[in-house]
Amino acid sequence: DAGVIQSPRHEVTEMGQEVTLRCKPISGHNSLFWYRQTMMRGLELLIYFNNNVPIDDSGMPEDRFSAKMPNASFSTLKIQPSEPRDSAVYFCASSLRVGSYGYTFGSGTRLTVV
Amino acid sequence: DAKTTQPTSMDCAEGRAANLPCNHSTISGNEYVYWYRQIHSQGPQYIIHGLKNNETNEMASLIITEDRKSSTLILPHATLRDTAVYYCIVRVDPGGGADGLTFGKGTHLIIQP
Repeated sequence: DAGVIQSPRHEVTEMGQEVTLRCKPISGHNSLFWYRQTMMRGLELLIYFNNNVPIDDSGMPEDRFSAKMPNASFSTLKIQPSEPRDSAVYFCASSLRVGSYGYTFGSGTRLTVV
Repeated sequence: DAKTTQPTSMDCAEGRAANLPCNHSTISGNEYVYWYRQIHSQGPQYIIHGLKNNETNEMASLIITEDRKSSTLILPHATLRDTAVYYCIVRVDPGGGADGLTFGKGTHLIIQP
């Protein structure tokens, strides 16, 4: 089991550019979560999917952020246009069934917007 | 979900048991206690969870008081690699689906050599 795979590990981009973060959940897991972590705000839940369907996107900061899960093995988080305040570590996590199993997090993508 | 209170930081000597407390005085009868940890530059890692009985796995033990208003995570023989931020989270198990975890500030556990 390769765990939750995120790419890229590091991303440096200029303000105004589009950024796409990618996540491959653990095979068989039916829930996927996107989190953002900063020193000021800690870990924040952005959006989560159950069976590829977005359930709650209330944590998405604004319309510049969008997330998709076209199939059970792939999800993207897109920021367009990016701003310096979007600089953070973005984590993806997946779960088979909450309560019986814990969440498995990926190693994260460190995004720097200059 | 019920609110939790944890100390900001703790020290523990290597080889000793690390006992991390968590208060959750407003916990409801159907809410579980979960523990995660985050080692520097890594994603959070699930440790253990429980409802009302004490639980033990290969990583740690979870002791929940009889009134369920507090709990303690025990790392029996702490090593330097256990230095991390430990999060105590209380939430309902919805069963059959999933709901996002809400992380607080956690306890920064520092294992001293």
